[in-house]
Amino acid sequence: AQKITQTQPGMFVQEKEAVTLDCTYDTSDPSYGLFWYKQPSSGEMIFLIYQGSYDQQNATEGRYSLNFQKARKSANLVISASQLGDSAMYFCAMRERVRSGANSKLTFGKGITLSVRP
Amino acid sequence: GAGVSQSPRYKVAKRGQDVALRCDPISGHVSLFWYQQALGQGPEFLTYFQNEAQLDKSGLPSDRFFAERPEGSVSTLKIQRTQQEDSAVYLCASSQILGQANTGELFFGEGSRLTVL
Repeated sequence: AQKITQTQPGMFVQEKEAVTLDCTYDTSDPSYGLFWYKQPSSGEMIFLIYQGSYDQQNATEGRYSLNFQKARKSANLVISASQLGDSAMYFCAMRERVRSGANSKLTFGKGITLSVRP
Repeated sequence: GAGVSQSPRYKVAKRGQDVALRCDPISGHVSLFWYQQALGQGPEFLTYFQNEAQLDKSGLPSDRFFAERPEGSVSTLKIQRTQQEDSAVYLCASSQILGQANTGELFFGEGSRLTVL
């Protein structure tokens, strides 16, 4: 089974409007972390936001917020007030077996292309 | 530099040649990861180091792929007898150890684009 599922092939949003990018995940580990990264056409991977499985509140970071629905295993990224510079690929990723003092890989989804229209 | 540095940025190899890709992580980051990203796809995990120890190499696709980090800093990903299916961007990332003060997010380099003819 896919660990991270991103099914939206491509999204379009008007500048200044909000957009939601979907992500569902699959894990049996009770301790995990969810990440969103942005990859513009230049190729660099830019970290946007993080949600821990035990976090009580949804994560927010500037114009980015994470709609975390644990029972549904979804972690959708919401971008408010879209800007032209938001046009990029967006990847959802998960780290399982989160343990303080240790580390492990991130598993990425296939990504979603977001295009912001002026 | 302040970020993760990878070289070369672009590499063209003839099928059957060996290649070596270098990664210089952020100073002080004990964790180092290699990923392979095919065009239009998400990064696929290859291998992970903590200091000089290779703790996870489950993602290496064949024994033609080899990675090392002998002094716990710079890492090299070597691909022997390259094949056309090895054409991809190879991303290196580093991070701190997970702790209460950080999420352990990965900081990525700009990648090395390998084209095998």
